[in-house]
Amino acid sequence: SQQGEEDPQALSIQEGENATMNCSYKTSINNLQWYRQNSGRGLVHLILIRSNEREKHSGRLRVTLDTSKKSSSLLITASRAADTASYFCATDAWHTGGFKTIFGAGTRLFVKA
Amino acid sequence: DSGVTQTPKHLITATGQRVTLRCSPRSGDLSVYWYQQSLDQGLQFLIQYYNGEERAKGNILERFSAQQFPDLHSELNLSSLELGDSALYFCASSPGGQGIYEQYFGPGTRLTVT
Repeated sequence: SQQGEEDPQALSIQEGENATMNCSYKTSINNLQWYRQNSGRGLVHLILIRSNEREKHSGRLRVTLDTSKKSSSLLITASRAADTASYFCATDAWHTGGFKTIFGAGTRLFVKA
Repeated sequence: DSGVTQTPKHLITATGQRVTLRCSPRSGDLSVYWYQQSLDQGLQFLIQYYNGEERAKGNILERFSAQQFPDLHSELNLSSLELGDSALYFCASSPGGQGIYEQYFGPGTRLTVT
């Protein structure tokens, strides 16, 4: 089963608006990462937040992590049409079989120009 | 460009056949990861190798096997292929074996089983 679950599954906004995507997970983690995927292409790493961090920024991206609620959010501010992509959260943790990175199902973001 | 290369880009084959997917990690990266992405299952972790040794195992079928060679490139072998194996297969690499490392993904191999 998936460790991370994103919400919403899909999001459509106008250029200039902010986009917020949420991720929930089930077990204790070491880190949480966010990746972006343009249709049919490889994933691109956006940001990594450690389990002892609560917030991290990178350009127009802001990630929060609440380990007590086992949840994270990705905020993209002042969205652009080029931000249209799928966004995945990925949790790094020990599981049966070793230390693994488990990806959620993703949020599909569509930014209208 | 992530620096991770995968070949071939596309592969079309018939059920029951066997194929080999190849991955070259970024220069200096010791870990290679394999993932399967399909519409109904999402992105599934298959297996990780670190410096030639298997490090972690995910939802990899017994019909699938992988290895990492001394030059650190990796191959994923898929045998007795079924229609349901049709998917995008991604390879990723990272500098270390476990812990705080981002993964760099290749462009993927699209496998179609007919």
